[in-house]
Amino acid sequence: GAGVSQSPSNKVTEKGKDVELRCDPISGHTALYWYRQSLGQGLEFLIYFQGNSAPDKSGLPSDRFSAERTGGSVSTLTIQRTQQEDSAVYLCASSLALTGKGETQYFGPGTRLLVL
Amino acid sequence: SQKIEQNSEALNIQEGKTATLTCNYTNYSPAYLQWYRQDPGRGPVFLLLIRENEKEKRKERLKVTFDTTLKQSLFHITASQPADSATYLCAPNTGTASKLTFGTGTRLQVTL
Repeated sequence: GAGVSQSPSNKVTEKGKDVELRCDPISGHTALYWYRQSLGQGLEFLIYFQGNSAPDKSGLPSDRFSAERTGGSVSTLTIQRTQQEDSAVYLCASSLALTGKGETQYFGPGTRLLVL
Repeated sequence: SQKIEQNSEALNIQEGKTATLTCNYTNYSPAYLQWYRQDPGRGPVFLLLIRENEKEKRKERLKVTFDTTLKQSLFHITASQPADSATYLCAPNTGTASKLTFGTGTRLQVTL
């Protein structure tokens, strides 16, 4: 597709369950980012991947959160033992390169997670 | 710690007027600053980037200024239209890492 896609678009789960969120970046984009947006809050950086380099996990809020990027393309964000405070919109973005010079990030539509 | 402030109150203006949104930051020196637009239920969409050595940047009806002394960026939409109604996010960044740090955004409502 032409843009970043994410699935599922909505996810309702029970407290304590594990969830997996998927992101398909734009083809050819080497950098991939995950953010979280809670109601009325700004975007909170979670993790980014650049090529084959070790990911920057500095934004992950706890060890219940993990992410993988297979083959330099698709990424999965996993939240184990979900808590109600994990309820938020999880946004994925990708960019052409990671130069630190202001490359444009292209965002997907997000996955709305609700933990009951 | 680094802090980004955008007016949390919605900005309501009449069609045809100029909308001005403010982004203030403290405790760091961004090398560049980006503005994004976010519509309800959608991800942010990039609008403009301005670098620390640029005072002003324009794109069609959009204008961004960057004052590193005041630690402030202003985002202007001239001849505003109802279709401009959205939340606008600023993201000042140092350039040493590409993860973006966003403000909480200001919601703009343009009425007829």
